[in-house]
Amino acid sequence: EAGVAQSPRYKIIEKRQSVAFWCNPISGHATLYWYQQILGQGPKLLIQFQNNGVVDDSQLPKDRFSAERLKGVDSTLKIQPAKLEDSAVYLCASSLGLGPPYEQYFGPGTRLTVT
Amino acid sequence: GENVEQHPSTLSVQEGDSAVIKCTYSDSASNYFPWYKQELGKGPQLIIDIRSNVGEKKDQRIAVTLNKTAKHFSLHITETQPEDSAVYFCAASGGSQGNLIFGKGTKLSVKP
Repeated sequence: EAGVAQSPRYKIIEKRQSVAFWCNPISGHATLYWYQQILGQGPKLLIQFQNNGVVDDSQLPKDRFSAERLKGVDSTLKIQPAKLEDSAVYLCASSLGLGPPYEQYFGPGTRLTVT
Repeated sequence: GENVEQHPSTLSVQEGDSAVIKCTYSDSASNYFPWYKQELGKGPQLIIDIRSNVGEKKDQRIAVTLNKTAKHFSLHITETQPEDSAVYFCAASGGSQGNLIFGKGTKLSVKP
């Protein structure tokens, strides 16, 4: 079974530029998550989708971050404009359904450096 | 909201020794407590989890204990091996949406 795919793996941009990350979840997984992991910390949930609808985006800085999951499969996360404090690893995860007992499977992440 | 504290932040043990990582949570409504292992350049991977109706769970060399009264849970790794070296995260979840709140992680180093 293929895992969660993310691209790109690394991205370096200057502040005020825009950037987009892509995620392809495990086939058949209805729930998709985007997390932000700052160096030395645990992942923090940014947004959660159930199929193509948003379940929770309370931690998403909506003035600069946006995300979509068209057709309930792939998802993109965008930052515009980027700030220095956005430097982090952005993790995508997917699960069969909402909450336990459904395990969340994580992708390898995209490491973003904002200079 | 939920807050998860994790200790220690770093842990170094000799191969074959045991390692213990402890977490506390604040929301008494939390009922699901997974542990993740993250290797360099990879995403977190679930290694074991426990639900609030269980006090202890084992899977080979890994065990997790839960004390609901004290609101803390622990990961125990016995007979550690060099390949156990990684960052370990605890998490807690309680809402219907199952959102996970993670601790800050413990970097475990197992010396041969």
